Amino acid sequence: GIQVEQSPPDLILQEGANSTLRCNFSDSVNNLQWFHQNPWGQLINLFYIPSGTKQNGRLSATTVATERYSLLYISSSQTTDSGVYFCAVFPRGGGSNYKLTFGKGTLLTVNP
Amino acid sequence: GAGVSQTPSNKVTEKGKYVELRCDPISGHTALYWYRQSLGQGPEFLIYFQGTGAADDSGLPNDRFFAVRPEGSVSTLKIQRTERGDSAVYLCASSLNGGLNEQFFGPGTRLTVL
Repeated sequence: GIQVEQSPPDLILQEGANSTLRCNFSDSVNNLQWFHQNPWGQLINLFYIPSGTKQNGRLSATTVATERYSLLYISSSQTTDSGVYFCAVFPRGGGSNYKLTFGKGTLLTVNP
Repeated sequence: GAGVSQTPSNKVTEKGKYVELRCDPISGHTALYWYRQSLGQGPEFLIYFQGTGAADDSGLPNDRFFAVRPEGSVSTLKIQRTERGDSAVYLCASSLNGGLNEQFFGPGTRLTVL
């Protein structure tokens, strides 16, 4: 099946810093979602982005499907941004494109 | 509107016991999914319902696991003869019509098998 790799696995920032999280996938995808899992375990939808760039406040995401990667940008980070960021893809083909396949996540810690 | 809800939030049971985990999807969402998340990993697919029927149960690890959605809304994941290796967070998600529609997750049920 498709492989989803996220980098870096861990990231520590000072409040106010910017960061870029990367998601690489091994095969073609139909769509992609970014999530933030907060310290209480809730998965919060950030972006639903098959291609192109979207922005939501201090966060933005870019997916380049032809090159099999997506980037999540966090600007002016805040302590509430801490948690695990997951990339998940909808694989193309095989009749099971509804199965989200997740990476292992990036653990972000933002210190005050 | 209300999001996906799951009960209980935590469940502690003994090896060999039977457990039921409940999921209430977003109103109007016909597609419902169960995923399982182990420590330090991303969620992994278990089963997908479209309406009342299980369209794909290929992710269920073995026949001790079973899920139902009798009226096309609430779903129950059932685990028989629980084992310590079943300990994980069980997540439920729903989407408007399945397929490539955006999936929205509930808060999960943390299952601990002693």
